[in-house]
Amino acid sequence: DGGITQSPKYLFRKEGQNVTLSCEQNLNHDAMYWYRQDPGQGLRLIYYSQIVNDFQKGDIAEGYSVSREKKESFPLTVTSAQKNPTAFYLCASSPGGASTGELFFGEGSRLTVL
Amino acid sequence: AQSVAQPEDQVNVAEGNPLTVKCTYSVSGNPYLFWYVQYPNRGLQFLLKYITGDNLVKGSYGFEAEFNKSQTSFHLKKPSALVSDSALYFCAVRGWNSGGYQKVTFGIGTKLQVIP
Repeated sequence: DGGITQSPKYLFRKEGQNVTLSCEQNLNHDAMYWYRQDPGQGLRLIYYSQIVNDFQKGDIAEGYSVSREKKESFPLTVTSAQKNPTAFYLCASSPGGASTGELFFGEGSRLTVL
Repeated sequence: AQSVAQPEDQVNVAEGNPLTVKCTYSVSGNPYLFWYVQYPNRGLQFLLKYITGDNLVKGSYGFEAEFNKSQTSFHLKKPSALVSDSALYFCAVRGWNSGGYQKVTFGIGTKLQVIP
């Protein structure tokens, strides 16, 4: 089935460690997004990518990094510079370009810093 | 800058009664508006969207939304609420930044509680 796969679903990290969250899609979508969700704050955009080898900072990019080497993959690295990384992370994709279509979401990854 | 406001943190409604979840937006150009639903520890699921045309948009699970350009609103509605509708609902707007990149902005979400 077509969709977006995020892994791992749950992740624990010690302070000072980098961690990478995986996001893979088989929908042939050009655009991919990473959002962070915290209680009472909704979804905040971390990074987005419209095409391969190109990505843009969102509203809260500090302490995060991404790559887009393949159309299907958009991994997010949470670095030790991120002051408060404990959150629920959501990856999404859409057809991109001039599309007015909706976003398709993965099931999320919950990161807890111990 | 584009933005979305969902003024109610929580909406409580009795099962069988009509429900409304409010959303207002701000965006340059034509608004492309969306509603999503999220169940606990899950991703968001698309409900419906307004791109152009009829101001009343019908979507999944019996939900509909009314676009009002003069009030910059896009309220979500359902004629008869079900207990299974209890979830977190997000309104979103799609726009373009100064660099020509698409950007989707979400509201903070409204928790809908349907009481049996």
